[in-house]
Amino acid sequence: DSGVTQTPKHLITATGQRVTLRCSPRSGDLSVYWYQQSLDQGLQFLIQYYNGEERAKGNILERFSAQQFPDLHSELNLSSLELGDSALYFCASSSGQGVSGNTIYFGEGSWLTVV
Amino acid sequence: SQQGEEDPQALSIQEGENATMNCSYKTSINNLQWYRQNSGRGLVHLILIRSNEREKHSGRLRVTLDTSKKSSSLLITASRAADTASYFCATANLQGAQKLVFGQGTRLTINP
Repeated sequence: DSGVTQTPKHLITATGQRVTLRCSPRSGDLSVYWYQQSLDQGLQFLIQYYNGEERAKGNILERFSAQQFPDLHSELNLSSLELGDSALYFCASSSGQGVSGNTIYFGEGSWLTVV
Repeated sequence: SQQGEEDPQALSIQEGENATMNCSYKTSINNLQWYRQNSGRGLVHLILIRSNEREKHSGRLRVTLDTSKKSSSLLITASRAADTASYFCATANLQGAQKLVFGQGTRLTINP
């Protein structure tokens, strides 16, 4: 158990809908990262927050947004869902501001299926 | 975009044998991390090796790093059926150091 908690574990929704994925980082970790894993793209970095502020953006679509709340939990919002958004979405956390020298701990992921 | 490339893409060995997986990357790094993923599950952190380190051990795992060749290897000794999983290397680049960039992974199968 990495200490990173993600909910829901599985989600099935229709195209055009909106979903919210939730992440609680490890106790004491200030950074939260979101990754998407799909068969064709592999593991892709989406976005990172540190202590409530956005620190880095990766291949995140405009239809997607995220935020980190004062209690450090984070939410990833996916809207206008398309079939191609079906993937495993991971949240990860670390104690530092970035990945330099910091171990990044991943949650179990949220399986999103868009039908 | 993928930074690391794992080799081989798939590896099948007998229980008790050693398994070696390789990772090559393109840009200068701050550190490289290896992860394991059981089918459809989360990523489990195995080892972090910094750019100024050449070798690290953790139990049956041995990781080497050659920054001149921009490559790393993960050796699992005395493999067990429970080691069956996908293994990923991930690099923390000197630039854009807020994210890990993952390779496509090596699918390891340990046959009993």
